[in-house]
Amino acid sequence: EPEVTQTPSHQVTQMGQEVILRCVPISNHLYFYWYRQILGQKVEFLVSFYNNEISEKSEIFDDQFSVERPDGSNFTLKIRSTKLEDSAMYFCASNRGTSGNNEQFFGPGTRLTVL
Amino acid sequence: GQSLEQPSEVTAVEGAIVQINCTYQTSGFYGLSWYQQHDGGAPTFLSYNALDGLEETGRFSSFLSRSDSYGYLLLQELQMKDSASYFCAVREGVTGGGNKLTFGTGTQLKVEL
Repeated sequence: EPEVTQTPSHQVTQMGQEVILRCVPISNHLYFYWYRQILGQKVEFLVSFYNNEISEKSEIFDDQFSVERPDGSNFTLKIRSTKLEDSAMYFCASNRGTSGNNEQFFGPGTRLTVL
Repeated sequence: GQSLEQPSEVTAVEGAIVQINCTYQTSGFYGLSWYQQHDGGAPTFLSYNALDGLEETGRFSSFLSRSDSYGYLLLQELQMKDSASYFCAVREGVTGGGNKLTFGTGTQLKVEL
């Protein structure tokens, strides 16, 4: 069964450093998302991406964040200058379309630890 | 503001039935989803309601009342493997660019023998 994959599974970085989190969505999906979950808290929407552009973003997704689809398979989230409060689990998700039940398929996540 | 409230924790015994409630207040509403998340794992889709009423999928059912801004997830014949966190999530609208999910606070379900 197709699945969303993410790398790395765990990333440790120093405050102020840039990180790139990588995702490979399911191949025939058209809509891509990034969410984050701080330990013990709810899942929070960051950004949605469709047709090679951002379709919606949250207040969390400030100028330090960017997304890119550099080729036909990868979808990346970049944090330019990490802060301590960026420590969280970052989930990539994708779905085929917006009709029906809008089921989003989540990847296993990247745990980002900022020291 | 936007809020989706759920009980923080529910405990039940194996074989029992449990109901997890969700009340929401969002700027838009198109549908209510339920996701399951095991510790350290990814959220996985369980159910979706766009219209009032009950949707049944095996041991899991989900209910929606749009007029009351309320929904619930019903888990029957509980099994130990059902121990996990359960999140309701609102889809606020239908756009050409995809539909973000706004998640609730989550309910941790503990199933005991």
